[in-house]
Amino acid sequence: KAGVTQTPRYLIKTRGQQVTLSCSPISGHRSVSWYQQTPGQGLQFLFEYFSETQRNKGNFPGRFSGRQFSNSRSEMNVSTLELGDSALYLCASSLDRERDEQYFGPGTRLTVT
Amino acid sequence: DQQVKQNSPSLSVQEGRISILNCDYTNSMFDYFLWYKKYPAEGPTFLISISSIKDKNEDGRFTVFLNKSAKHLSLHIVPSQPGDSAVYFCAATHGSGNTGKLIFGQGTTLQVKP
Repeated sequence: KAGVTQTPRYLIKTRGQQVTLSCSPISGHRSVSWYQQTPGQGLQFLFEYFSETQRNKGNFPGRFSGRQFSNSRSEMNVSTLELGDSALYLCASSLDRERDEQYFGPGTRLTVT
Repeated sequence: DQQVKQNSPSLSVQEGRISILNCDYTNSMFDYFLWYKKYPAEGPTFLISISSIKDKNEDGRFTVFLNKSAKHLSLHIVPSQPGDSAVYFCAATHGSGNTGKLIFGQGTTLQVKP
């Protein structure tokens, strides 16, 4: 069974631009979560999607948004990029049975210059 | 506010000895805790979890201990192996419908020396 895939793996953008990251969950997984990892902050929860609906949301500004498609694939978008948005963005999927573990993708490394 | 804290950024142990990674939390609503391991250029992988109704869970070389009164959990790795060298994150969640929302600590980098 294929794991969680994320594209692109690396991305360089300029301040003020916007970016879209993609995540394909493990087949059959319906819950997709996004996390931001920065040095010293660990992994911070961005949002979770289930059945095309945002189910949980972290404490990030409205510039961060996402969506989920009917095939459970998910995208996240960051508009008006800031230098502080440089981070590793991780996507995780799960079956969504109670207490299911999350399976993470390799992440997208975003650098904002 | 950092609800889950790993106060030790790094830990170095000798191969064969015990590694103890610590984690503290502030939110008393957390009722499920997990440990993940992360190698460079890879996503975190699940190691072990524990429910708040237990105080210990063991899986091979890995044991997690939970002290609810102290709001503290720890991961013991015995014996430590060089392949265990990685960043370890503890995470917590609570309630139903929150499986996809994990609150992570900042991570502890473990180095196991041969």
